[in-house]
Amino acid sequence: KNQVEQSPQSLIILEGKNCTLQCNYTVSPFSNLRWYKQDTGRGPVSLTIMTFSENTKSNGRYTATLDADTKQSSLHITASQLSDSASYICVVSLSGYALNFGKGTSLLVTP
Amino acid sequence: DSGVTQTPKHLITATGQRVTLRCSPRSGDLSVYWYQQSLDQGLQFLIQYYNGEERAKGNILERFSAQQFPDLHSELNLSSLELGDSALYFCASSALLAGGATGELFFGEGSRLTVL
Repeated sequence: KNQVEQSPQSLIILEGKNCTLQCNYTVSPFSNLRWYKQDTGRGPVSLTIMTFSENTKSNGRYTATLDADTKQSSLHITASQLSDSASYICVVSLSGYALNFGKGTSLLVTP
Repeated sequence: DSGVTQTPKHLITATGQRVTLRCSPRSGDLSVYWYQQSLDQGLQFLIQYYNGEERAKGNILERFSAQQFPDLHSELNLSSLELGDSALYFCASSALLAGGATGELFFGEGSRLTVL
């Protein structure tokens, strides 16, 4: 069983709408949690990195939240744009160097 | 531009053949990671090197091997290729944070391998 679970697996929204992607993890001890955006056929690009002591971090229209007690994180996208269509990957870093990748949420923003 | 360079971008070869993928990390990054991404699948961790030494190993097949050279570039060697090896292969690099935690990962644009 994957230790980092993302939901939904895929999502379709209208341009201009907001959406929230979820990430639940079971790995420990936890060091930091990252969200990446991966355009089709391209390398992932970092959106946010949060340590266990941070509960929110923003990067433009992207806001990530973290609840280390419930081991849940969310990525909120505000006023979506067509260019937001991509796969969003949650990655949990253990203390040390190990990284655990979720399978990603595929987001499609339609006109 | 992430600063991580991967070559070749595309590669088409036949089953049973051997290929080498190359990665130049971001300037100053000592850690290099290799990932495999098959069609519509998530990123699968293969192997990590830190300053020339193997640091961690994931789901890497015995037919695959990698190394990191003194100039910090890395190569992933794939041999006895099978149809199922067709995938995007990504290299990423990072610095290490205080305490040994992995810093931000910077990914290359990937090498797309097609095995016919």
